[in-house]
Amino acid sequence: DAKTTQPTSMDCAEGRAANLPCNHSTISGNEYVYWYRQIHSQGPQYIIHGLKNNETNEMASLIITEDRKSSTLILPHATLRDTAVYYCIVGKGDTGRRALTFGSGTRLQVQP
Amino acid sequence: NAGVMQNPRHLVRRRGQEARLRCSPMKGHSHVYWYRQLPEEGLKFMVYLQKENIIDESGMPKERFSAEFPKEGPSILRIQQVVRGDSAAYFCASSPETSGGSGEQFFGPGTRLTVL
Repeated sequence: DAKTTQPTSMDCAEGRAANLPCNHSTISGNEYVYWYRQIHSQGPQYIIHGLKNNETNEMASLIITEDRKSSTLILPHATLRDTAVYYCIVGKGDTGRRALTFGSGTRLQVQP
Repeated sequence: NAGVMQNPRHLVRRRGQEARLRCSPMKGHSHVYWYRQLPEEGLKFMVYLQKENIIDESGMPKERFSAEFPKEGPSILRIQQVVRGDSAAYFCASSPETSGGSGEQFFGPGTRLTVL
C-alpha cells in the first residue's frame, strides 16, 4: 500500500471549513484514498473514500488531484464535535476485506 | 441494527495472567479485524479473520497472542501471560461478506487493557 503524509496538527474555527491535506505520491492506479477519524479514544469512524473523482457525502467532501498524488478532505462547517485525529489511508479497493494501515494522522482542533 | 460490540470495555490484569477480549461483529458481517493502539500511538493491525479461519495474522505478535472467530459466538483475542507492555486499547472492526461497496470497516468502542 502507498505511504501517506499528513500534517501533524491543524486548527479550525467553528463554523468554518476545515481542509485536511494528504500526500500520497506513490499511489498506484488501482488504489483508493480512504479517510477515517478517531474522536478521543473512541473507535475509528469511516468518513469517505474515492478513486479518481471528487466525492461528497453527508459528512465531508474529498478532492483528489488529477495526478492522484494528493487529496484534501473538506469538512464544510466544522463543529466542536469534529475535533479528532483524521487518518488518510491509501489501499487497494475493498479495504472492507483487508487490514487498514493507519499512519499518525492529523489532529484537528476545532476552536469555539 | 446494533453496531460492533466489544466486552469488557475495561480490563485489568496482573502480570502473568490471561486476558480474553470479545468482539461481536455487526449483524450479517463475517469478517473481523483486530487492531491495537498503544498509549499515544496510532492503530496497528493485528489479525484478520473470517468465520473459523485466520486470513491474515501478519500483525500479531508471535508469542502469547491468539485469535479465533468460531462458527457460533464472538471473536476472541486471547493474550496469555500478560506483561505491562500489553497495556493498550484493543479495537475490533467488522465488514460484510460481499466485496465492493464502500469498503468501510465498522469499529467497536474498544477494550482498554491495563496490566499491573
